[in-house]
Amino acid sequence: EDQVTQSPEALRLQEGESSSLNCSYTVSGLRGLFWYRQDPGKGPEFLFTLYSAGEEKEKERLKATLTKKESFLHITAPKPEDSATYLCAVQAGGGGNKLTFGTGTQLKVEL
Amino acid sequence: DTEVTQTPKHLVMGMTNKKSLKCEQHMGHRAMYWYKQKAKKPPELMFVYSYEKLSINESVPSRFSPECPNSSLLNLHLHALQPEDSALYLCASSQAAQGDNEKLFFGSGTQLSVL
Repeated sequence: EDQVTQSPEALRLQEGESSSLNCSYTVSGLRGLFWYRQDPGKGPEFLFTLYSAGEEKEKERLKATLTKKESFLHITAPKPEDSATYLCAVQAGGGGNKLTFGTGTQLKVEL
Repeated sequence: DTEVTQTPKHLVMGMTNKKSLKCEQHMGHRAMYWYKQKAKKPPELMFVYSYEKLSINESVPSRFSPECPNSSLLNLHLHALQPEDSALYLCASSQAAQGDNEKLFFGSGTQLSVL
């Protein structure tokens, strides 16, 4: 069974204090690993897709990396507007259109 | 237009009511999804439609009945729900029906309360 574990569950940062969120996964043949951002009462918003170990993608203050067992979402010099829940999801080989989500990291960035 | 539109945004219903959730996208996507999300939990897949045909049903109780009238619309019909069915119901779409580009576009959801 595919499993996705995210840590920490919650993270509080001061504005400008860089940090990383972790997503560990166990899947039978990874086809893609996805990062989403979710604001309260809203649907998840797509951030990145990573397909193979060693791949990196960046968007503004966010950088996602992938190894064979885990992915990191690095947040550089965060701002209060980066506060949200960050979800990691995996698509496994033979899984059709199915994504398995982790439980998320709730990030709060304070002034 | 890169939006997935869901209506209503909020719904309160009794256990004997029948109601429907609606979802619409105009991105030409060929796969559409229903997810259920409880507070502080990840989204859980319920149904997947691929080219307007039901391709995945994650053993969802029959009180939830999906319908895909055309490639742009997705409905979820609700009947005789239980209080534990209260959750945020999310609709999503993706360009690919199969393959590796499974980037999902989510709607803002319908917050459902069952009394």
